[in-house]
Amino acid sequence: GNSVTQMEGPVTLSEEAFLTINCTYTATGYPSLFWYVQYPGEGLQLLLKATKADDKGSNKGFEATYRKETTSFHLEKGSVQVSDSAVYFCALSDHNQGGKLIFGQGTELSVKP
Amino acid sequence: EAGVAQSPRYKIIEKRQSVAFWCNPISGHATLYWYQQILGQGPKLLIQFQNNGVVDDSQLPKDRFSAERLKGVDSTLKIQPAKLEDSAVYLCASSLEGGLGAEAFFGQGTRLTVV
Repeated sequence: GNSVTQMEGPVTLSEEAFLTINCTYTATGYPSLFWYVQYPGEGLQLLLKATKADDKGSNKGFEATYRKETTSFHLEKGSVQVSDSAVYFCALSDHNQGGKLIFGQGTELSVKP
Repeated sequence: EAGVAQSPRYKIIEKRQSVAFWCNPISGHATLYWYQQILGQGPKLLIQFQNNGVVDDSQLPKDRFSAERLKGVDSTLKIQPAKLEDSAVYLCASSLEGGLGAEAFFGQGTRLTVV
């Protein structure tokens, strides 16, 4: 079945450090891929998405590229800020499954000043 | 625009009691989802509605969980009787249409503690 695997957290970085959160997936079809973010005390919100191979999603300085050959969708940011501290979830939705999201376990990011 | 509204925000009940959660999706969104998020895990889909019809309830423990979506708008999720392992955050989400690449908008969730 379809699944998503993320690198385990927590990840602790200093401000302005480079961020990578690894995400790999297993899917029977051609899924769309997402990164959702959950800030403290808030609901999940979409950070970025990519709907086909080689697409790059980007938002708020974050980027992720849909790599079909490595079944990956790693999240990157060149210079993190304290305000980026949150839990990040990688997810996929499969064409054959009505748009439901299958999530990874989440990676907690803590950015220190 | 108003987001997805959920209530209550928190609930503590004893095992074997019943509980209900309410969700009001974004106006005009045809698809509504209920997810269960256990501490330290990603959300897991319980049930998906398209208007007032069920699209996917394959992961819903139907012996104790039930859900309905009245008139294709609001939805309630019920647990009866609750077990300790039902302690989790219950998330409601909606999207304009269910389908590949559709963005889901999430409510803040209801945190359930079963003691």
